[in-house]
Amino acid sequence: AQTVTQSQPEMSVQEAETVTLSCTYDTSENNYYLFWYKQPPSRQMILVIRQEAYKQQNATENRFSVNFQKAAKSFSLKISDSQLGDTAMYFCAIPGDSGAGSYQLTFGKGTKLSVIP
Amino acid sequence: AAGVIQSPRHLIKEKRETATLKCYPIPRHDTVYWYQQGPGQDPQFLISFYEKMQSDKGSIPDRFSAQQFSDYHSELNMSSLELGDSALYFCASSRPNIRGVEQFFGPGTRLTVL
Repeated sequence: AQTVTQSQPEMSVQEAETVTLSCTYDTSENNYYLFWYKQPPSRQMILVIRQEAYKQQNATENRFSVNFQKAAKSFSLKISDSQLGDTAMYFCAIPGDSGAGSYQLTFGKGTKLSVIP
Repeated sequence: AAGVIQSPRHLIKEKRETATLKCYPIPRHDTVYWYQQGPGQDPQFLISFYEKMQSDKGSIPDRFSAQQFSDYHSELNMSSLELGDSALYFCASSRPNIRGVEQFFGPGTRLTVL
């Protein structure tokens, strides 16, 4: 079974500053993927960034980047130049492989990020 | 771009009633996942479908059933509703059906059981 742990229930950051959200995971597989999803107050789940475990290079998407440490099973999300619209719950997630052609996501408990003007 | 459509967006039911939630995936997406998100919780996987066949089940109560139809839309049927079923129910779709592909989430159906 795969597990995802987010140890920071809540965080806050000043607008325009940088913040890092932590995530650790456990999986017995060698090739896998990791996701960060954002859930703003509207409750819509939005993919922020994706990392392929076999790629050494950390994924980046504009102001969002990850620090992927495979050996440590760590997958943190860095948000640069924080904006008010970044205020949301952030979930770290890993897709499983049940062997039945289903790749359902296992989520962490989430980190509630507040961007302060 | 077309997104995942869920209906209804809000639903209020009494205990022991039944409810049907509908999901219309993004066109040409052949895989559908259902998740349940309780208040203050992370989404939990319920059930998935690929090419109109059930592919896996998670923590879905026996009172719930689901299917995917020939046009790829899916319905989650919930019977004998309990207070604890109050939650946000998400449908997500993807294509192709391989690991690592983004799952696109619908806006969710908020179910309240009184």
